[in-house]
Amino acid sequence: KAGVTQTPRYLIKTRGQQVTLSCSPISGHRSVSWYQQTPGQGLQFLFEYFSETQRNKGNFPGRFSGRQFSNSRSEMNVSTLELGDSALYLCASSLTSGGGYNEQFFGPGTRLTVL
Amino acid sequence: AQSVTQLDSQVPVFEEAPVELRCNYSSSVSVYLFWYVQYPNQGLQLLLKYLSGSTLVKGINGFEAEFNKSQTSFHLRKPSVHISDTAEYFCAVSATGFQKLVFGTGTRLLVSP
Repeated sequence: KAGVTQTPRYLIKTRGQQVTLSCSPISGHRSVSWYQQTPGQGLQFLFEYFSETQRNKGNFPGRFSGRQFSNSRSEMNVSTLELGDSALYLCASSLTSGGGYNEQFFGPGTRLTVL
Repeated sequence: AQSVTQLDSQVPVFEEAPVELRCNYSSSVSVYLFWYVQYPNQGLQLLLKYLSGSTLVKGINGFEAEFNKSQTSFHLRKPSVHISDTAEYFCAVSATGFQKLVFGTGTRLLVSP
């Protein structure tokens, strides 16, 4: 079974631009979560989607948004990019949502660099 | 809210020596506990998890961890490490009913010959 895939793997943008990252979960998984990883702040939860609905949201500004499609694929969008948005963005999928005990399978991440 | 503390940012160890990576957590509700490993330029891979039951949990690659409720700890151990274990290790918790993982700051394990 294929793992979680994220595209693109690397991205370079300039301040003020917007960016869209894509995540395809493991087949059959319906929950997708997004995390931001930076050297300064570590791994931080962005949001979780399940059945096309946002179930939980982390403490990030409204410039960060996401959505999930009927096939469980998810995208996250960052508008008006800032230098501090440079990070590794990780997507994780799990079978279902809400339990807390569901194993989350992580993709390789998208490395975003903002110049 | 939950928080996770990994006191050691880096742990150097010689090959075939034992290692313990420490993790303490704080939460006002019941939590599930996880250890993840991250190799360079890769995502996170689950090593093991504690959901309930036996406090000694065995995971992949010879790792194990012990849940200690009174000390709110979940330390990771391996009796004999290999060069290939060099990576960053993250302890994480999730509250019952929520999919969100709260991570510690990570411990870089450096295994030398």
